[in-house]
Amino acid sequence: IQLTQSPSLLSASVGDRVTLSCKGSQNINNYLAWYQQKLGEAPKLLIYNTNSLQTGIPSRFSGSGSGTDYTLTISSLQPEDVATYFCYQYNNGFTFGSGTKLEIK
Amino acid sequence: EVKLLESGGGLVQPGGSMRLSCAASGFTFTDFYMNWIRQPAGKAPEWLGFIRNKANGYTTEYNPSVKGRFTISRDNTQNMLYLQMNTLRAEDTATYYCARRTRRGYYFDYWGQGVMVTVSS
Repeated sequence: IQLTQSPSLLSASVGDRVTLSCKGSQNINNYLAWYQQKLGEAPKLLIYNTNSLQTGIPSRFSGSGSGTDYTLTISSLQPEDVATYFCYQYNNGFTFGSGTKLEIK
Repeated sequence: EVKLLESGGGLVQPGGSMRLSCAASGFTFTDFYMNWIRQPAGKAPEWLGFIRNKANGYTTEYNPSVKGRFTISRDNTQNMLYLQMNTLRAEDTATYYCARRTRRGYYFDYWGQGVMVTVSS
């Protein structure tokens, strides 16, 4: 399964509601996770099984979707959210999307 | 506290071999599937393979892109994970991470800090 993320680059202001998209080439059956990767660091698990929040992750992060289309939403963008975000599917093999780089405007 | 610490990276010539290690601590190592994942600079991560836990016989699975060249093993007495890489190519240049699969599904809850491998003459 190939994952296409959009946009590849997103610039938003602090406090904005931000939506990142991930589209699979086949049905992912909700076996989708989201990772946050800050510069020079390993990826960090945010969301698993489409909409389950990993322990310790702020509640401003949420996930949704079904079938082939999935979304990560940040309800109120914070400066510390600057990072690249990858979606990852584990329904059929294990593949990561190409990433969305999130910047502060 | 769960910790994963990779070592063994560096520069290797095309066609050469290298073994990466990952020291695990803070959890019952034998209970978990362990994975290797790599990430070329500026690109998406790529899952390379995993080795199952004790309950599932420590068997392995690989990404077809590296199957036959890369071998994952573990020393459960030392809480160590290994990645043996043979016949290395320039396209194997990346940061290599070990990562723990969660109990609940095939996603990764802890990652090491990564180790850089450069394949170049």
